[in-house]
Amino acid sequence: GAVVSQHPSWVICKSGTSVKIECRSLDFQATTMFWYRQFPKQSLMLMATSNEGSKATYEQGVEKDKFLINHASLTLSTLTVTSAHPEDSSFYICSARTAKGNEQFFGPGTRLTVL
Amino acid sequence: AQTVTQSQPEMSVQEAETVTLSCTYDTSESNYYLFWYKQPPSRQMILVIRQEAYKQQNATENRFSVNFQKAAKSFSLKISDSQLGDTAMYFCAFGGEYGNKLVFGAGTILRVKS
Repeated sequence: GAVVSQHPSWVICKSGTSVKIECRSLDFQATTMFWYRQFPKQSLMLMATSNEGSKATYEQGVEKDKFLINHASLTLSTLTVTSAHPEDSSFYICSARTAKGNEQFFGPGTRLTVL
Repeated sequence: AQTVTQSQPEMSVQEAETVTLSCTYDTSESNYYLFWYKQPPSRQMILVIRQEAYKQQNATENRFSVNFQKAAKSFSLKISDSQLGDTAMYFCAFGGEYGNKLVFGAGTILRVKS
């Protein structure tokens, strides 16, 4: 149980284009989902927290207009990187939590490369 | 704000031996949760063990156990009988009582040598 998937696992795009990453909870309802960014050999940096049906809460320094997060259902959250640039290249990880749970279940991550 | 400190950037251990990874944290909360996550080369985050702060008994999961010292705000992970598959980056994480965001430490790269 408690499986979280991400799609795609790896995406390459041209500078200036937008990329959407999906995060799905496969066998539970995720009232809260989290989006992280991770650089090689570094820790996870929380970008934003999204609750189903409401606007995401972004961490300080994260551009909400650049990283659009939608949590339209209890099993799906999406992260859209708008007008991507090479500096947006990174590993993006989502996690999900149930309403009463305090454990986060992590997706396998998405590697984004912007050329 | 909570902080989590892992002071060992890299460690290595011989197969079948025991290794301890350190973690300290700072919080003003009385009820909280602590976690150790493993991130192997695949980069999939895997929960290794969790500890509820209100429980005095140290958590154990097979070869993995913790030494939780609440007063000292210390939460170390002991891996017994180390295996090659234990090679990974290990993150200590703090979670508040109401299950919101996790605060992660910088991580410790553990290499198990044959």
